Amino acid sequence: KNEVEQSPQNLTAQEGEFITINCSYSVGISALHWLQQHPGGGIVSLFMLSSGKKKHGRLIATINIQEKHSTLHITASHPRDSAVYICAVAPNFGNEKLTFGTGTRLTIIP
Amino acid sequence: KAGVTQTPRYLIKTRGQQVTLSCSPISGHRSVSWYQQTPGQGLQFLFEYFSETQRNKGNFPGRFSGRQFSNSRSEMNVSTLELGDSALYLCASSLGPLTGALSEQYFGPGTRLTVT
Repeated sequence: KNEVEQSPQNLTAQEGEFITINCSYSVGISALHWLQQHPGGGIVSLFMLSSGKKKHGRLIATINIQEKHSTLHITASHPRDSAVYICAVAPNFGNEKLTFGTGTRLTIIP
Repeated sequence: KAGVTQTPRYLIKTRGQQVTLSCSPISGHRSVSWYQQTPGQGLQFLFEYFSETQRNKGNFPGRFSGRQFSNSRSEMNVSTLELGDSALYLCASSLGPLTGALSEQYFGPGTRLTVT
């Protein structure tokens, strides 16, 4: 069993829909990262969380430390949101050794 | 402020050769981490350097090595290349472990290595 599990693996939605991507992990962590990767490879860090909830524009990330679970929401989805979203966990403070989920491929249809 | 840069962006090598990839972090960042991404294994941690010292290492053979210079720029080297080393190699920089604060990582565009 992978230490970091994401669901769904693939998600296709219509423009404007509310998107939810899930991440569950099985180890103790100091932080959880949500990353976005567009075709071509470049990775952008969307959020880094250790507790609670963060919001940036149409993106919202939450984490429940007790349940070892995080969600990434996209409101009013747009075709430019089409990308692979990757969850990654850091084991303890100051340790940059990230363990990654397998990613969720999101496609937003106009 | 300039982002993380990686050179070269694309590289084709043959089996048995060696390769050196370079990563220049964001100015002021002292930690550089390296990752390998393949279709089969996804993203995997290679190693992390902070202040010229390797702090963490992933589960890769000794053919994979790296170093960091005093200006925080980092290089990774792969010797005796195998077909399975074909991958996107990403580096990420961060401030590093300062007073236990969380440190966001900023990724470079990657170097796509093809081994034939």
